[in-house]
Amino acid sequence: DVKVTQSSRYLVKRTGEKVFLECVQDMDHENMFWYRQDPGLGLRLIYFSYDVKMKEKGDIPEGYSVSREKKERFSLILESASTNQTSMYLCASSLRGGNHNEQFFGPGTRLTVL
Amino acid sequence: KNEVEQSPQNLTAQEGEFITINCSYSVGISALHWLQQHPGGGIVSLFMLSSGKKKHGRLIATINIQEKHSSLHITASHPRDSAVYICAVRSTSGSRLTFGEGTQLTVNP
Repeated sequence: DVKVTQSSRYLVKRTGEKVFLECVQDMDHENMFWYRQDPGLGLRLIYFSYDVKMKEKGDIPEGYSVSREKKERFSLILESASTNQTSMYLCASSLRGGNHNEQFFGPGTRLTVL
Repeated sequence: KNEVEQSPQNLTAQEGEFITINCSYSVGISALHWLQQHPGGGIVSLFMLSSGKKKHGRLIATINIQEKHSSLHITASHPRDSAVYICAVRSTSGSRLTFGEGTQLTVNP
């Protein structure tokens, strides 16, 4: 059974804290993605990675960074959390290449920044 | 205007009703995805389409490439179908997805 896991389902942090969100997939997928989901806005891409140590900015990278040191793990980092980063964060992975590769999603992390 | 527009935003139905959710997009695409998100957040892929029609159980997805439009149909709806249904398109230029805002479906017993 394919699986994408995220380190926390719920997280509460204070403004200014450094926050790490971890995502692990066991499908040997090359591509990994971080999204945030907000009411009325749908899912928006923050960053994605198509290989170890490779990353590309998505549509809303400001205030975030990422790390991909191992193929199975993709971390999202909030260097200094702010209240406007309160959101649902979803990780996904897919095989590289072709236009018909399904993305598999993790369960999501609901982050609240106070 | 969003690249992917879904309608309706909210839909309430009685158990057994036939349901249609629509998705229109404005860019050239290589594939369109329909996703389901239950309360709690997890998203699962229902269909991936590049042409024609696909069926899985009570779910049917169609796409008209010329009209840039897709529909998701649910026959004999059931309360367990209550979820957010999301349309997403993969452009011809890459592997990224662009998502619609989602349709909240509630099926009452």
